[in-house]
Amino acid sequence: DVKVTQSSRYLVKRTGEKVFLECVQDMDHENMFWYRQDPGLGLRLIYFSYDVKMKEKGDIPEGYSVSREKKERFSLILESASTNQTSMYLCASSFLPGTYNSPLHFGNGTRLTVT
Amino acid sequence: SQQGEEDPQALSIQEGENATMNCSYKTSINNLQWYRQNSGRGLVHLILIRSNEREKHSGRLRVTLDTSKKSSSLLITASRAADTASYFCATVRPAGGTSYGKLTFGQGTILTVHP
Repeated sequence: DVKVTQSSRYLVKRTGEKVFLECVQDMDHENMFWYRQDPGLGLRLIYFSYDVKMKEKGDIPEGYSVSREKKERFSLILESASTNQTSMYLCASSFLPGTYNSPLHFGNGTRLTVT
Repeated sequence: SQQGEEDPQALSIQEGENATMNCSYKTSINNLQWYRQNSGRGLVHLILIRSNEREKHSGRLRVTLDTSKKSSSLLITASRAADTASYFCATVRPAGGTSYGKLTFGQGTILTVHP
């Protein structure tokens, strides 16, 4: 079974802190994604990566950056955390580059609270 | 705006009844996927239906796709209390260039199955 592991289930940070959310997958997937999930807004794509060192902006990249130095690891960085970044963050990965018929495998999420 | 929109937003039924959830989308798609999310957890892929397919089955799940109406439905037959979860549709739009499968999620239907 594919396993996508997010380093923290719960995280509390202060406004202005630099925050790192880590995600590791164990199935050699090319594609990795970061979503945030908020009540009433559903899941929104922040960034994705289809290869090492490659990244593409999603729908809401402002205030975030990402890093993919190794194929199995995709990090989301909040350069200066703000209260409106309090949310559930979900990492996902998928296989089969070159096609779109590949399901996403999700981690269990990191619930981030910025105070 | 969200590509997929689920209807109803919430559904409450008794064990043994069937549950039907609908999803509408706005632009052409490559495929449509349904996911399930238990409270506080990540999403789990249920079923994928391609744009050239009309119906697909997986166990107690039946998914239909009507591309002329830009809609899909998920039917869970003989529901169980363990089916209680949020259900999301996600669409993959045709895209050229980079090889990734970018999914756009709806806001989900909250299903409660009472024992």
